Amino acid sequence: AQTVTQSQPEMSVQEAETVTLSCTYDTSESDYYLFWYKQPPSRQMILVIRQEAYKQQNATENRFSVNFQKAAKSFSLKISDSQLGDAAMYFCAYPTTLNYGGSQGNLIFGKGTKLSVKP
Amino acid sequence: KAGVTQTPRYLIKTRGQQVTLSCSPISGHRSVSWYQQTPGQGLQFLFEYFSETQRNKGNFPGRFSGRQFSNSRSEMNVSTLELGDSALYLCASSWTANYGYTFGSGTRLTVV
Repeated sequence: AQTVTQSQPEMSVQEAETVTLSCTYDTSESDYYLFWYKQPPSRQMILVIRQEAYKQQNATENRFSVNFQKAAKSFSLKISDSQLGDAAMYFCAYPTTLNYGGSQGNLIFGKGTKLSVKP
Repeated sequence: KAGVTQTPRYLIKTRGQQVTLSCSPISGHRSVSWYQQTPGQGLQFLFEYFSETQRNKGNFPGRFSGRQFSNSRSEMNVSTLELGDSALYLCASSWTANYGYTFGSGTRLTVV
């Protein structure tokens, strides 16, 4: 079964510091995508970063970067220079890409990590 | 470019009633999927529609249903509401799964 595990229910970081959120997943596929989503109190899920499994290079989006270890099935998110606006729930997600009949599959989410940023 | 629009934002219903939630995807996105978010179960996939056809379904009872219109707008319906249906219902649209899904702000349903 495809699963996504986030082992840190809560994390805290000082403003301007760096924090790493962990995620592991289980899949038998060789080519897939992984995502980190952010959900602030406004409730809207916002795509933070995506990683293509066939790419060796770790994805980076401004202050957000990932450490993707395919063999270990690990996909951690690093937030550098943390800002107060980074406080949110962070979800690691894996799409089941069915690709038949036009289906885009669905996302399997981890339980999430609540990140607090201290001023 | 408009985002994914969900209406209403909040709903309060009584047990036994039915409810319909609406989702308008990003223009050009033909795939619309629905998720239920609760503190206990987290985010769970309900169903996905593509070209007005349900392509994929999660493990939810038949009280949960949906449909998609020719303009890609989607509705989900929950009949015979139970207290446990209280949740945030999120809609997401995508062009292709590879580029991720764009979510709406959700509908907060409270069943009393």
